[in-house]
Amino acid sequence: KNEVEQSPQNLTAQEGEFITINCSYSVGISALHWLQQHPGGGIVSLFMLSSGKKKHGRLIATINIQEKHSSLHITASHPRDSAVYICAVRSTGGSEKLVFGKGTKLTVNP
Amino acid sequence: NAGVTQTPKFRILKIGQSMTLQCAQDMNHNYMYWYRQDPGMGLKLIYYSVGAGITDKGEVPNGYNVSRSTTEDFPLRLELAAPSQTSVYFCASSYESREQYFGPGTRLTVT
Repeated sequence: KNEVEQSPQNLTAQEGEFITINCSYSVGISALHWLQQHPGGGIVSLFMLSSGKKKHGRLIATINIQEKHSSLHITASHPRDSAVYICAVRSTGGSEKLVFGKGTKLTVNP
Repeated sequence: NAGVTQTPKFRILKIGQSMTLQCAQDMNHNYMYWYRQDPGMGLKLIYYSVGAGITDKGEVPNGYNVSRSTTEDFPLRLELAAPSQTSVYFCASSYESREQYFGPGTRLTVT
């Protein structure tokens, strides 16, 4: 079983819909990252969080440390949000290594 | 700022050849990383560095070597290329353990 599991693997939505992508992990963590990989391949960091909730524009990331679960929400989705969204965790113990989920491919249709 | 740059963008190698993937960053980040991304799989850490002169193995270091002689540069060396090293390689950097900035990637094919 992977340390980081994302669901769903693929998600298709209509423009304007509210999107939720989930990430579950099995180890104690010091931080969780959400990344976006564009269709052209480039990777951009969206959030790094260790507790609570962060918001940037239409994107919201939440984390529940006790349940070992994080969600990424996109409000008022747009075709330009189409990308692969990747969750990654850094485990406790001082390691600098990130463990990545396999990603969720989001397609937003106009 | 150029951010994180990688060269080349694409490369085809024959089995047994060697090459160096270049990575440079101009953000004065102390941490740098090399990842590979295989189809349908998550990114996997090959090597990382927390500062000039300091490197450490990641999850999949076999077949690769790195050096970090300056803060800016973190080249990845492939010796004796094998088909299993066909992948997309990403370099990233960060200040301490904060958010990572990724380069555009190098698509490598070994045939």
